[in-house]
This record gives sequence, C-alpha cells and structure tokens, in this order.
Amino acid sequence: RKEVEQDPGPFNVPEGATVAFNCTYSNSASQSFFWYRQDCRKEPKLLMSVYSSGNEDGRFTAQLNRASQYISLLIRDSKLSDSATYLCVEIYNQGGKLIFGQGTELSVKP
Amino acid sequence: DAGVTQSPTHLIKTRGQQVTLRCSPISGHKSVSWYQQVLGQGPQFIFQYYEKEERGRGNFPDRFSARQFPNYSSELNVNALLLGDSALYLCASSLSVGMNTEAFFGQGTRLTVV
Repeated sequence: RKEVEQDPGPFNVPEGATVAFNCTYSNSASQSFFWYRQDCRKEPKLLMSVYSSGNEDGRFTAQLNRASQYISLLIRDSKLSDSATYLCVEIYNQGGKLIFGQGTELSVKP
Repeated sequence: DAGVTQSPTHLIKTRGQQVTLRCSPISGHKSVSWYQQVLGQGPQFIFQYYEKEERGRGNFPDRFSARQFPNYSSELNVNALLLGDSALYLCASSLSVGMNTEAFFGQGTRLTVV
C-alpha cells in the first residue's frame, strides 16, 4: 500500500463548479500535510498547509480527518486557471522528508 | 530575490554515463532536498541535507549520491545511468527543518537517458 494515495483523475469540471479531492495516508501518527499545485511541466508550488482540523483560504478549503486518515481539498467556484495537478503531501521525519501522492489532475472547462 | 535555481534545465545522457545536477537554494535557506519525478507520478524523496549534513535518504540505490557545500548549494550525482533514471529531478530549499517549514522547489532538471 502506498503511503499517500490519491485518485489520479482527471477531473473535468465546468467553470464555477465545486470540486473535491481526497487523499488517504497510511501512517496514523502523521499530523501535518500540504497541498501542492503543479502546472504542466513546472515545479510544484505550495497551495495550502493542513494542520489539526483544517484550513481555509478564499475558494480553497482543506480538511484533515485523523480518524479515517484522509485529507480533502475543496475548490469552490472553479476558474480556468485552477487547471493543474494537485499533490497531497505528508510531512515526515520532522519536516525532513515530504511524501507525495501521485497527484490528481483537474481540468476546468469554459 | 532569486528563487531556487537548478542547472542544467535539460540533459540527455547515454546509459552507463554519470551525471551531476546542481542546485542553489534561496538565499538564507540552509536545507536542500532532492526529488525524482517520473511522468505521471508525484515526486519521490531522494535526499535531504541540512547544514551540510545528510539528514535523510530515500529508497534509491547507491548510484545516487549528493552533497551540500558551505554556501548551502548542492549537487546530486547519479552513476551508471539506466533508462529508468529518466525523470524530472527537483531540488527544494527550505529555511530550516521542521513540521511547518515550507519547501520551495526549483524548476527542475529534465534528464533523458537514451
């Protein structure tokens, strides 16, 4: 079983839609996570941190469910510019190592 | 301020050759990590260096080695290249280490082994 698992998608949604991604992790002791965004053939960039119960930033909401060992990312009012791959990341070894899921591809259409 | 810079951006090598990839972290950042990203997959951790000491190593063969210099820049070396080493190699820098420390990625070196 992979340490961090994501649905690879692709998720194809119209502009204005709400879309949610889930990510599961295997290490029950893990406490901190990131969501990174990666545009095609570019480097990953931090989107949000996910600590304790969750985090919200504008149209983006990240939640952590420790009991079920999953993290979610909700994007409201999708924009064309939200099209990218979203990477779920577990912070491991006191920050010394990031464990990435395989990424979920999102395509927002006009 | 310059972000994380990596060189070269693209590289083509032949099987069996050796390659050295370079990374300059953001000014003031003391931690550098290396990741390998194969097409369609998320990045996989190779090494982390902090204050010139190796702090973590991923599940990669001994053909992979790295080091960090006094100015905190870093090199990743891969010997005896295999076709399967073809990937995007990403360098990430962070101010320090810790659970809340953001990692900033360079644009990567795209290595093709033929």
